Amino acid sequence: DVKVTQSSRYLVKRTGEKVFLECVQDMDHENMFWYRQDPGLGLRLIYFSYDVKMKEKGDIPEGYSVSREKKERFSLILESASTNQTSMYLCASSFGRGVAGEYEQYFGPGTRLTVT
Amino acid sequence: AQSVTQLGSHVSVSEGALVLLRCNYSSSVPPYLFWYVQYPNQGLQLLLKYTSAATLVKGINGFEAEFKKSETSFHLTKPSAHMSDAAEYFCAVRIYNNAGNMLTFGGGTRLMVKP
Repeated sequence: DVKVTQSSRYLVKRTGEKVFLECVQDMDHENMFWYRQDPGLGLRLIYFSYDVKMKEKGDIPEGYSVSREKKERFSLILESASTNQTSMYLCASSFGRGVAGEYEQYFGPGTRLTVT
Repeated sequence: AQSVTQLGSHVSVSEGALVLLRCNYSSSVPPYLFWYVQYPNQGLQLLLKYTSAATLVKGINGFEAEFKKSETSFHLTKPSAHMSDAAEYFCAVRIYNNAGNMLTFGGGTRLMVKP
């Protein structure tokens, strides 16, 4: 069974703090993704990575950065948290970049971040 | 460009009634389509996927979806709703660019099941 874990289920931070969200997968997947989920907006892609040290911007990268130093770990960084970054953050992973798109993404349980 | 539209952000059915959740897609290439379910305070779990084989796809928990190219639809159905089906459901379509394969998601449909 694929397992994607996220470092925290709930997090409360203050405006201006630097925030790290960690994601680890155990299936040797090449691709990893960070989404934010807001009511009525579905899931929006923040960043993704198809290999170690590689990253690509998604639809809403502003205010975020990422790090992928090891294949199994993908970190999302909020350099200076703001209240409009209060949201549910979901990490996902999938098989590799070169294959056809029939492989699904596997999701972690999510981190509900509140910025006050 | 590929996109997904889910009609109805909230759907309410009685226990035992038919469940129908609507999804229409737009894709310039043969689509790969997915339905995910999200239970409260959990991540997303794959229900089923269409990858150009049979047009009627069966998934977990008694759900199925039919790919209709002429209607650009991939609606999710279940003959008889159960209380445990109450959750949020997301339709997604594969998009592909130079960076690889990704998914774009619809806005989600929250299913409520009344006793």
